[in-house]
Amino acid sequence: GDSVTQMEGPVTLSEEAFLTINCTYTATGYPSLFWYVQYPGEGLQLLLKATKADDKGSNKGFEATYRKETTSFHLEKGSVQVSDSAVYFCALSRTGGGNKLTFGTGTQLKVEL
Amino acid sequence: NAGVTQTPKFRVLKTGQSMTLLCAQDMNHEYMYWYRQDPGMGLRLIHYSVGEGTTAKGEVPDGYNVSRLKKQNFLLGLESAAPSQTSVYFCASSSEGGVRTEAFFGQGTRLTVV
Repeated sequence: GDSVTQMEGPVTLSEEAFLTINCTYTATGYPSLFWYVQYPGEGLQLLLKATKADDKGSNKGFEATYRKETTSFHLEKGSVQVSDSAVYFCALSRTGGGNKLTFGTGTQLKVEL
Repeated sequence: NAGVTQTPKFRVLKTGQSMTLLCAQDMNHEYMYWYRQDPGMGLRLIHYSVGEGTTAKGEVPDGYNVSRLKKQNFLLGLESAAPSQTSVYFCASSSEGGVRTEAFFGQGTRLTVV
């Protein structure tokens, strides 16, 4: 079945540091890939997405590129801020799946001054 | 902008009690979902609905029932709560079932079964 594996946290960074959160997936066909973010006490919200190979999703300084050859969708940001502290979830949705999302376990990011 | 609203936000149940979680969306979305979030396991799909009057099982449906009598509402029921159902429950909705479609989430319900 479908699965998403992402790096375990928590990840603690200093403000302005570079961020990478690794995400790899297993799925048949051509899934769409997503990063969702969960701020403390809130529900999940879409951060970015990519729907085909080599697509790059970007939002709020975050980027991720859909790499079919390595089945990866790593999240990156060049300079993190304290306000980026949250839990980040990698997810996939597959054709014919009714837009059901398969999530990774989540990576908690803490950014300190 | 209400979006997806879940009721209640917190609840403590005793083993064997029943309860219903309500999810309401005001975006006229066709698809609705219930997920549970557990530490180290991400979110897992419990049940979902592709339209008013329809329901389907997800990855972890046992011990839960759902109903979608009105398009805007999706109810999740626990008939006889167990400690293993202690979790944070999230409702989500999307406008269609296409793989490119964004899902919108509620703020969650934290349920503790003692």
